[in-house]
Amino acid sequence: EAGVAQSPRYKIIEKRQSVAFWCNPISGHATLYWYQQILGQGPKLLIQFQNNGVVDDSQLPKDRFSAERLKGVDSTLKIQPAKLEDSAVYLCASSPALPGTDTQYFGPGTRLTVL
Amino acid sequence: AQSVSQHNHHVILSEAASLELGCNYSYGGTVNLFWYVQYPGQHLQLLLKYFSGDPLVKGIKGFEAEFIKSKFSFNLRKPSVQWSDTAEYFCAVNADNDMRFGAGTRLTVKP
Repeated sequence: EAGVAQSPRYKIIEKRQSVAFWCNPISGHATLYWYQQILGQGPKLLIQFQNNGVVDDSQLPKDRFSAERLKGVDSTLKIQPAKLEDSAVYLCASSPALPGTDTQYFGPGTRLTVL
Repeated sequence: AQSVSQHNHHVILSEAASLELGCNYSYGGTVNLFWYVQYPGQHLQLLLKYFSGDPLVKGIKGFEAEFIKSKFSFNLRKPSVQWSDTAEYFCAVNADNDMRFGAGTRLTVKP
């Protein structure tokens, strides 16, 4: 079974630029999550989708972050414009069941550096 | 909002030593509890989870965790660690679809 795929693996941008990350979950997984992991901290949930609907985005900084999962499969997370404090690893995870009730399978992450 | 606390940032043990990593959370309602592990160069993966039933749960690689509701704790244990257990360990709590992770504990096992 293929795992969660993410791209790119690394990205370096300057502040005020825009960036987008892509995630393809495990086939058949209805729930998809985006996390931000700052160095030395645990993952912080940004947004979770059930199919193509948003279950929770209470911790997503909506003035600069946006995410979509249009067809209920893959998803993109965008930052526009980026700030220095956005430097982090962005993790995508998926799970087969209802949000929060089952194991989450994580991708390798995208390491973002904002200069 | 709920929070998750992991008491130790870095633990160093010798092989065959016993391990206990602390995890406490602040939420009074029903919770689902997880321990995830990240080995060097690998993805986060599930070690074990607790949803209901027996509060002592067993996971992969000889790990276990005990849910103590009165203490809001879900500590991770292993009776005898191996060098291959060197990794970062994250406790996570889900309540009402609000998933929170602790800051993680880095475990270094010396051969």
